[in-house]
Amino acid sequence: DIQMTQSPPSLSASLGDKVTITCQASQNINKYIAWYQQKPGKAPRLLIRYTSTLESGTPSRFSGSGSGRDYSFSISNVESEDIASYYCLQYDNLWTFGGGTKLELK
Amino acid sequence: QVNLLQSGAALVKPGASVKLSCKASGYTFTDYYIHWVKQSHGKSLEWIGYINPNSGYTNYNEKFKSKATLTVDKSTNTAYMELSRLTSEDSATYYCTRSGLAYYFDYWGQGVMVTVSS
Repeated sequence: DIQMTQSPPSLSASLGDKVTITCQASQNINKYIAWYQQKPGKAPRLLIRYTSTLESGTPSRFSGSGSGRDYSFSISNVESEDIASYYCLQYDNLWTFGGGTKLELK
Repeated sequence: QVNLLQSGAALVKPGASVKLSCKASGYTFTDYYIHWVKQSHGKSLEWIGYINPNSGYTNYNEKFKSKATLTVDKSTNTAYMELSRLTSEDSATYYCTRSGLAYYFDYWGQGVMVTVSS
């Protein structure tokens, strides 16, 4: 089974900051990684698929990159509506989520 | 518009079973797999398994093979997950979601909270 190690578990940012979250897979996942945003009491929302492809409706301040085992997700110019938890998902071999990152305001 | 509508919250006794539903609309039901995902309170997400509504083929996370049973009713575009021999460890929010040929999860149900308590 593929394991996904996501860091950091929590992140504190000011409005306008750039933040970066990373996910490392236990093996090469061939760029098959998606990123989700989840707000309290809500279902996850797909933001990015296949490493860097923004889903329709995802603001351009969100971005993703990576290859092989190492991937990152960034938010430039953090806005108040971005305060949420974020999860990576590998879908190269079955499906595995990262442990999540809770983004809070400093 | 795509919609996955899940059944309401459930309070069930330890040792009992519960069957959750996920009614799909706004797309061709048999064109997408339906997956189920568990989220324990304050924790991350775990993939439970998926069912191909067209063939009925299922694939489970090893961890949930003896816990969850996935079925579909194509006549009502509804997917089901039955959880058996419930314990407090099964108390969680459960989501249904779908994947297409590209295999990532795009649309999600609203989630259903299952509480196991005597």
